[in-house]
Order: sequence, then structure tokens, then C-alpha cells
Amino acid sequence: GDSVTQMEGPVTLSEEAFLTINCTYTATGYPSLFWYVQYPGEGLQLLLKATKADDKGSNKGFEATYRKETTSFHLEKGSVQVSDSAVYFCALAPGSARQLTFGSGTQLTVLP
Amino acid sequence: DAGVIQSPRHEVTEMGQEVTLRCKPISGHNSLFWYRQTMMRGLELLIYFNNNVPIDDSGMPEDRFSAKMPNASFSTLKIQPSEPRDSAVYFCASSPEFAEAFFGQGTRLTVV
Repeated sequence: GDSVTQMEGPVTLSEEAFLTINCTYTATGYPSLFWYVQYPGEGLQLLLKATKADDKGSNKGFEATYRKETTSFHLEKGSVQVSDSAVYFCALAPGSARQLTFGSGTQLTVLP
Repeated sequence: DAGVIQSPRHEVTEMGQEVTLRCKPISGHNSLFWYRQTMMRGLELLIYFNNNVPIDDSGMPEDRFSAKMPNASFSTLKIQPSEPRDSAVYFCASSPEFAEAFFGQGTRLTVV
């Protein structure tokens, strides 16, 4: 079945550091790929998405590129802020379906 | 738009009691999802409705769990009888046709 593998956390960075959170997937066909963010005590919010190979999703300085050849969707940000501290989830949805398969989540803490 | 509304936000109940979690999806969204989040298993899809009809309930852990969607603006997830291992955060999410899911803030369930 479909699966998503995320970089183990937690990740601790200093403010203005470069962030990479690795995500690889296994799926049949051509899934859509997502990054969701969860702030403490809240639900998940969509951060960015990509629906086909080579698409780049971007939002709030975060970027991820859909790489079919490496089955990856790594999340990057050039300069993190304290307010980026949260749990980040990589997810996929098969084809045109909307039900999501999530990775295990990566806790990010950014120190001032 | 008020977003996906879940109630209650917190529920503490004794083992053996019936628990009902409620969800109001975003108006106009035709798909609704129930997810469960635990430290051990991460985020798991429990059941998925499309146009009020259950499409995939393969994630419902056992017969003690049931979900209904009597109309487009309301869904319930019921656990009867509840057990301590059901303690988790339960999320409801909704999505429009061919677009990503929006999550509620979740219900934190504790079964003692």
C-alpha cells in the first residue's frame, strides 16, 4: 500500500538557519503530495502541495519539489524563524482521491 | 468561514462508557474524513465519506467504533464501549471536489 517516510525528529535549529526535512513516498500511480503543519494544540494546516512531477509548491518561504525519479518531496526553508516551531507532516493522496496517508511527523524547534 | 468545527475539544470518560464526537464540515465541501492521532501510530484515517456516503471504513479499528453522516453539515464518530487504548486526538477534516482537506482543531479523548 501507499506509505510516506519522513526524516526522524526532533530537529532543533537556530533562528535564520537553513531547514531541510526529508520525505520519500511509495505509491502506485501519480499521487498528489502535501506538507501540513501542526502548531501546539491545533489541527493540521496545509502548508503547500504539488500535484504532478516537477511541480514546486511554496508558501511562507517554504518550498518542496515533487521528484518522481527519487520519489521525494523534501521541505526546505532558507531562513527559519522562532514562529516556525511546529510539527511538520508529509502526506500523499492517491490520484484524484482526497484521503491522505501521513508520514510520522517531524518536530521542529527554532531557538532565538 | 468558521472552518471545520469539532466538539467537544476535550473529553474525559470512564472505561465502558459511550463517547460521541461531533463534526461540522465546511459548507459546500462534499468529502469528510475522520483521523486519529496517537504517539505510537501517528495519524491514521479511520473513515471517509463522500456526499454523505461512507466510501472507505477500512481504518475503523473495531466494531466498537461507528461513524455516521446524516446530512452534509454534520457527522458523528461514536465509540461504545470506550477503552483506555482509545485515548487519542480525533480530527475531522473536509474537502471540496478535487482539492485538499481542511482540518478541525481536534477532540482530545481520554478514557480512564
